[in-house]
Amino acid sequence: SQELEQSPQSLIVQEGKNLTINCTSSKTLYGLYWYKQKYGEGLIFLMMLQKGGEEKSHEKITAKLDEKKQQSSLHITASQPSHAGIYLCGAYYPDNYGQNFVFGPGTRLSVLP
Amino acid sequence: NAGVTQTPKFQVLKTGQSMTLQCAQDMNHEYMSWYRQDPGMGLRLIHYSVGAGITDQGEVPNGYNVSRSTTEDFPLRLLSAAPSQTSVYFCASSYSGLNTEAFFGQGTRLTVV
Repeated sequence: SQELEQSPQSLIVQEGKNLTINCTSSKTLYGLYWYKQKYGEGLIFLMMLQKGGEEKSHEKITAKLDEKKQQSSLHITASQPSHAGIYLCGAYYPDNYGQNFVFGPGTRLSVLP
Repeated sequence: NAGVTQTPKFQVLKTGQSMTLQCAQDMNHEYMSWYRQDPGMGLRLIHYSVGAGITDQGEVPNGYNVSRSTTEDFPLRLLSAAPSQTSVYFCASSYSGLNTEAFFGQGTRLTVV
């Protein structure tokens, strides 16, 4: 979508390394959602951030929301091959007609053993 | 629970043929939606439904029809397949909209020749 940008587009890391994926919105955020897609499969919900400054963790994945910057970061600590996949952020824009929930283009993560 | 079930997983159609992609969920979710995922275009909303008997268009509805006669089922119909409809299709459901946790099917990979 044009509303959401993600960086980097792709990332290759060695197992055990930390990494960060960013998601930036061009419009006011009412909530930011992170999903993971394994290659050839559907999306799996990771976490939802709704308040400025909110930070959530699930196993070795931590996501933060910076409402002022309209940005969220997803941080993976001590990456493992099981973390490989495409990470997509999503955001809810109530004023968008026809598509009020949009996804970013995704960040493709590869973790080398 | 099975979650969201999509069938078929793979399909090849000839231009002009019609077919229906099936989607069923067993979580009693009110909200269901169909997305297509294309390289470089991300996930785009085709149609969505906020409850049985109610459907609406998303970002890219042309060439597709939907109906929602029951809470569980949300089939997507391709009226006259075109090569531009070659894509991976995902069905998703959530309790009240995509601004809540959404569950995705495994996807249908469609090729139109």
